[in-house]
Amino acid sequence: DAGVIQSPRHEVTEMGQEVTLRCKPISGHDYLFWYRQTMMRGLELLIYFNNNVPIDDSGMPEDRFSAKMPNASFSTLKIQPSEPRDSAVYFCASSPRQGVGTEAFFGQGTRLTVV
Amino acid sequence: GESVGLHLPTLSVQEGDNSIINCAYSNSASDYFIWYKQESGKGPQFIIDIRSNMDKRQGQRVTVLLNKTVKHLSLQIAATQPGDSAVYFCAETLEDGKLTFGKGITLSVRP
Repeated sequence: DAGVIQSPRHEVTEMGQEVTLRCKPISGHDYLFWYRQTMMRGLELLIYFNNNVPIDDSGMPEDRFSAKMPNASFSTLKIQPSEPRDSAVYFCASSPRQGVGTEAFFGQGTRLTVV
Repeated sequence: GESVGLHLPTLSVQEGDNSIINCAYSNSASDYFIWYKQESGKGPQFIIDIRSNMDKRQGQRVTVLLNKTVKHLSLQIAATQPGDSAVYFCAETLEDGKLTFGKGITLSVRP
C-alpha cells in the first residue's frame, strides 16, 4: 500500500476562496483523522471518522470548515470561505483499529497558504 | 498569513548519549499513550506506545515510561544518533479511538 495519500501537497489561495483538501486512507483502516498543525497551536485534531461516520468534530474551528467521508477510500476537508488565519499544514491520518496500538499512519500533509 | 513552522522547546544531546524526552498529560481516561516522531516536511511517525495499565515498555533503542500518579510520560532513546533529530510528540488515545497530541519537543543531536 502507498500509505495515506493527501492532495494537493501545497495550496496557495486568496482570502474568500473555497479550498478542498483530499485524503485517501490506507485500505482497510477503520479510522480517519484530520489534523491542523500550526506554530501557535501545534497538532490539533479537527475531526475523526470511524467506518465513514463522523465521531467527533469538536475540533473543527468554525462553520467555515466541513469534512466528509463518502466512502472508505476518500475524505475531504473543505474551508469556505478561507481566511489568512487558516494557513497551516493539514494532515490526514488513518488507523487500522480502535485502541490497540493506536498506530495512526499520517500522510505527507497539505501546506495551505491563504493570502 | 500565519507561520506554519514549529517553535518548540529544544533538547540538545551529544551523539551517543541517551536522551530523555518528557511529557505531561491531563486526561486520566486515556487508554493508550503514544510517542510520535516528526521529521521536517513529513507527517508524524509512530515510535512506540504503552497501554494505560502498564508502566514500562521497551522497543529497539527506545523505552517508554508511564507514571499515572503524576500523569507523566517519558521517552528514552539509547545511544542517540543524528537520525534521531526531529520533533517528538506524546499523544493519547481514548477508548473511542480519539487520538490527540501534545505540543512537541525538538530533539537536536550534536555530532
